[in-house]
Amino acid sequence: ETGVTQSPTHLIKTRGQQVTLRCSSQSGHNTVSWYQQALGQGPQFIFQYYREEENGRGNFPPRFSGLQFPNYSSELNVNALELDDSALYLCASTTYSNRLTEAFFGQGTRLTVV
Amino acid sequence: AQSVSQHNHHVILSEAASLELGCNYSYGGTVNLFWYVQYPGQHLQLLLKYFSGDPLVKGIKGFEAEFIKSKFSFNLRKPSVQWSDTAEYFCAVAQTGANNLFFGTGTRLTVIP
Repeated sequence: ETGVTQSPTHLIKTRGQQVTLRCSSQSGHNTVSWYQQALGQGPQFIFQYYREEENGRGNFPPRFSGLQFPNYSSELNVNALELDDSALYLCASTTYSNRLTEAFFGQGTRLTVV
Repeated sequence: AQSVSQHNHHVILSEAASLELGCNYSYGGTVNLFWYVQYPGQHLQLLLKYFSGDPLVKGIKGFEAEFIKSKFSFNLRKPSVQWSDTAEYFCAVAQTGANNLFFGTGTRLTVIP
């Protein structure tokens, strides 16, 4: 167990809907990154949050947005869902200074868009 | 742009066989290199990482990897695999000072008892 929990574990949404995914980071971690892992692919970086602000973003459109709360937990919001958004969404938590060396991943949320 | 190539999509081995999974990356600057493993139904776990120093890196569960700068490679090896090594293996690269990892597409390893 990594101490990083994600909810829900599975979700089915209809195209055009909006979804919110949640991540509780490991105690002591202040940095959260989100990744999208499509079937048969490696995880792709969506964005990172540090001190409640976005701190780096991958090649994802603005309809992917996020939040980080004072307790360092985080949300990923996706608007206007498309079929291609179906994927496993992973959250990784770490401290900012160790943001690459000690990233701990949650088990992910499996999103299916129909 | 950075990219990571894992040429073996699915590898099937018998127990006790030796393992080598290839990983090549494209980036001209200083990079940090990682191997992650994802066991069935579990979260991504760090197997090993290379930042600097000895290019032969030892990780958990008997895995090791060798960084060959001239070949832009970071291949994963294990002398003798076990059934419990059945999993998906991801190579990842990060630019020094960056915030995120670039992952390869993964290699699925199946070990037959």
